[in-house]
Amino acid sequence: DTGVSQDPRHKITKRGQNVTFRCDPISEHNRLYWYRQTLGQGPEFLTYFQNEAQLEKSRLLSDRFSAERPKGSFSTLEIQRTEQGDSAMYLCASSLATSANGEQFFGPGTRLTVL
Amino acid sequence: GESVGLHLPTLSVQEGDNSIINCAYSNSASDYFIWYKQESGKGPQFIIDIRSNMDKRQGQRVTVLLNKTVKHLSLQIAATQPGDSAVYFCAESERLQAQLWSLALGRLYFGRGTQLTVWP
Repeated sequence: DTGVSQDPRHKITKRGQNVTFRCDPISEHNRLYWYRQTLGQGPEFLTYFQNEAQLEKSRLLSDRFSAERPKGSFSTLEIQRTEQGDSAMYLCASSLATSANGEQFFGPGTRLTVL
Repeated sequence: GESVGLHLPTLSVQEGDNSIINCAYSNSASDYFIWYKQESGKGPQFIIDIRSNMDKRQGQRVTVLLNKTVKHLSLQIAATQPGDSAVYFCAESERLQAQLWSLALGRLYFGRGTQLTVWP
C-alpha cells in the first residue's frame, strides 16, 4: 500500500453514461497525476496537477474528460458520454515536487468497463 | 519521449537465477529513468531509478544500467524469487529545469512492459 487511494476500484457503466473517479494522494504530496492503462500496455499520461493548478494535459485527454483538484488535495476525473474505448485502468499517482527524485507513488487504480 | 519500448515481452527464469530485463528509449532529452513493478490488480510500484549522469545504480538485489550512447536501459534482478513474478516497466522523464534535479519532473513515459515469470 503506497498511501494513494482510489475510489471506486471497479466501475461498470453503459455507453453514454458519465462516470467520476476519485483519487486521494499521500497527504503531503503536492503533485498529482492521472494515467490510463489498457491491457498489456504501460500507463499513458493523461494530466497532472501541482497543488490545485493543472499544469499539463495530454492529447489523450479529449473534451469528454475533465480533471479537477479544487483544494489541492484529492482529485476527481470525470468522463462524460463514455465510449467502449474508454474501458481501461485509470491510475492516479502523487509525488512531492521538491523530493530528491520526484518518485511517483501509484494508487491501485480504478478499472472502468464500458458496456 | 513516447517511444520507450522493451525488447522482450515475456521472460521465464528459474528461482535463484538472475534476470535481466531490457528497455530501449528514443528521446535524447530524457534524463531520468525508473523501473516499476506491477503485480496483477495493483498499481505500479517503484523499484529503482537512475539519473542520466550515472551509468549504474544498485539497490537491494536489483541493479539498473544505463547506456546513453545506445539509449538502452536494463534491470538486473539477482537470485530471482517467485515473488518477483510481475510485469516490469521502464519509464523515462525529462526535467523541466536543467539545474535542479528535484523540481519539475512531469509526465512519465512508460514502455510496454515485460512479464517476468519465476518457476520454482
